Amino acid sequence: QQQVKQSPQSLIVQKGGISIINCAYENTAFDYFPWYQQFPGKGPALLIAIRPDVSEKKEGRFTISFNKSAKQFSLHIMDSQPGDSATYFCAASKVNTDKLIFGTGTRLQVFP
Amino acid sequence: DAGVTQSPTHLIKTRGQQVTLRCSPISGHKSVSWYQQVLGQGPQFIFQYYEKEERGRGNFPDRFSARQFPNYSSELNVNALLLGDSALYLCASSFAGQLNTEAFFGQGTRLTVV
Repeated sequence: QQQVKQSPQSLIVQKGGISIINCAYENTAFDYFPWYQQFPGKGPALLIAIRPDVSEKKEGRFTISFNKSAKQFSLHIMDSQPGDSATYFCAASKVNTDKLIFGTGTRLQVFP
Repeated sequence: DAGVTQSPTHLIKTRGQQVTLRCSPISGHKSVSWYQQVLGQGPQFIFQYYEKEERGRGNFPDRFSARQFPNYSSELNVNALLLGDSALYLCASSFAGQLNTEAFFGQGTRLTVV
């Protein structure tokens, strides 16, 4: 049972454009939603995370939008750069646990 | 500050063999979790240890086991290796095991079973 659904599977964006990746979850017990960036051959790196008491969180060019009623959250990358080309994973965890449930990943390619 | 360190970085084993992977968490972190990442997929949770006790186990067979040492480092053991065990094994550390705080991943150990 896939508890976190991620889309699209791949994304091609021109330099300077906005990259948008969406995730949907099923379990209302989830209360922590991080996004990870992974380059080939490397471990995932924490980008930004949100808890359901806020609807948006921004850190630099990265913004998470969170819709609790729709059980959806998304990552927006503003002014996308070629160096942003990587695979992005959304994840979720329940209160009182560190177990992360990951989405299937989105491969982002940013072309100059 | 050193991040999460894993060893070895790459490993090739034969079917039926046993393997031990090692992880050192970030200094001050008491929780270590292990994940398996098959090529093209998201990481799948295997184990979590906090203060040397198992706090969670994913849907993996008993061939997988782990432990955490007094210095909070951890080992993941896999017995009777199968071809399907080929994957990137990731270790993540966090400060507090039950408060879903930020988890930081190591670079992983790439295991190839032939």
